Amino acid sequence: GAVVSQHPSRVICKSGTSVKIECRSLDFQATTMFWYRQFPKQSLMLMATSNEGSKATYEQGVEKDKFLINHASLTLSTLTVTSAHPEDSSFYICSARDTERTSGLEQYFGPGTRLTVT
Amino acid sequence: GQQVMQIPQYQHVQEGEDFTTYCNSSTTLSNIQWYKQRPGGHPVFLIQLVKSGEVKKQKRLTFQFGEAKKNSSLHITATQTTDVGTYFCAGWGNTDKLIFGTGTRLQVFP
Repeated sequence: GAVVSQHPSRVICKSGTSVKIECRSLDFQATTMFWYRQFPKQSLMLMATSNEGSKATYEQGVEKDKFLINHASLTLSTLTVTSAHPEDSSFYICSARDTERTSGLEQYFGPGTRLTVT
Repeated sequence: GQQVMQIPQYQHVQEGEDFTTYCNSSTTLSNIQWYKQRPGGHPVFLIQLVKSGEVKKQKRLTFQFGEAKKNSSLHITATQTTDVGTYFCAGWGNTDKLIFGTGTRLQVFP
């Protein structure tokens, strides 16, 4: 199956600093990637849809100025958490669709990035 | 907005017992997918159902899509300790977004 990688897998940062998370599709091109956030023992909540070459579409309640998304190429999307605070500590997961390989509806998930803000 | 609920929230079973999780959407779905997430891991795709009333099997797992395409179920026969994890349904509704259900956490005691 298609492979999606994320980097870093874990990051600890101090309150007020910014953290960048990378999401890469390794063996396919993804015009669309998705960013989810998952708090402990909860479901995945869609934060935004990342579109290659255009602005991301954010879900209601997600601050676009705080969670900066850049999808500069067909294989890379980045999420930058700016001025992180302890309440931003969470598991951030990206996913991508391989529209050429499948019906395009199956999403491949990255391994996730666990962010801890101290 | 579209909501996808799952019941139960938690289920503890003895190894060998059966397990079922139910998924209900507030809106009609074009298709439904099921994912399994092991503790500390990321969601892994299990299956996709598209047709109304569709039933699919994967070894001990049976997936069903409701006639109205608003609900689905996952049934595991004779659970094993390797089945431990959280099972999520996720559906595509009238938006181009995959919305995850609330999940059912399964614990299997040996």
